Amino acid sequence: DGGITQSPKYLFRKEGQNVTLSCEQNLNHDAMYWYRQDPGQGLRLIYYSQIVNDFQKGDIAEGYSVSREKKESFPLTVTSAQKNPTAFYLCASAHLGSYNEQFFGPGTRLTVL
Amino acid sequence: QKEVEQNSGPLSVPEGAIASLNCTYSDRVSQSFFWYRQYSGKSPELIMSIYSNGDKEDGRFTAQLNKASQYVSLLIRDSQPSDSATYLCAVPFNQFYFGTGTSLTVIP
Repeated sequence: DGGITQSPKYLFRKEGQNVTLSCEQNLNHDAMYWYRQDPGQGLRLIYYSQIVNDFQKGDIAEGYSVSREKKESFPLTVTSAQKNPTAFYLCASAHLGSYNEQFFGPGTRLTVL
Repeated sequence: QKEVEQNSGPLSVPEGAIASLNCTYSDRVSQSFFWYRQYSGKSPELIMSIYSNGDKEDGRFTAQLNKASQYVSLLIRDSQPSDSATYLCAVPFNQFYFGTGTSLTVIP
């Protein structure tokens, strides 16, 4: 069953804690992306990676970190430096090339208590 | 700065009508264009891809692309209440650039 999985679906965190959101894909896609979505707002790019062991900052990278040790996996860590982390986090992946459709995982909803 | 802009909405249409969603983009070299549908509380779902000028039809959905005018649209014919969602236009160039979305409500 091909696709993108994110875990957990819901996550609660106390202020000052780091948390890591998981994203795995078995579509053999080269590129992976992390977005943040706040209620009633559009998608904002946090980080993206087009190749293993390399990644680029998006528009709102401060307070977040990522790694890309395997092609299939692109975990996102929300650090305590992120001042307002409560949001819906979406992971996506895409082939690189002419027909580079991007597909999304189901998302993780993070709430800071 | 590459930009994607959509008609802000919200857009309301009666059931059975045609819904028209519009998107303009600033990057002249973009070769592919996508429409996503996002239901409330869910992740975006890819519903249409278009790569060349003209129309592309898929069931009740038609995407229209005009690269000279840097304009892409999505028409939904025979709109159904299940089409009520936010529709996002996306243009890739290294990263993906998304519009802010247009909220569509189909009234039974």
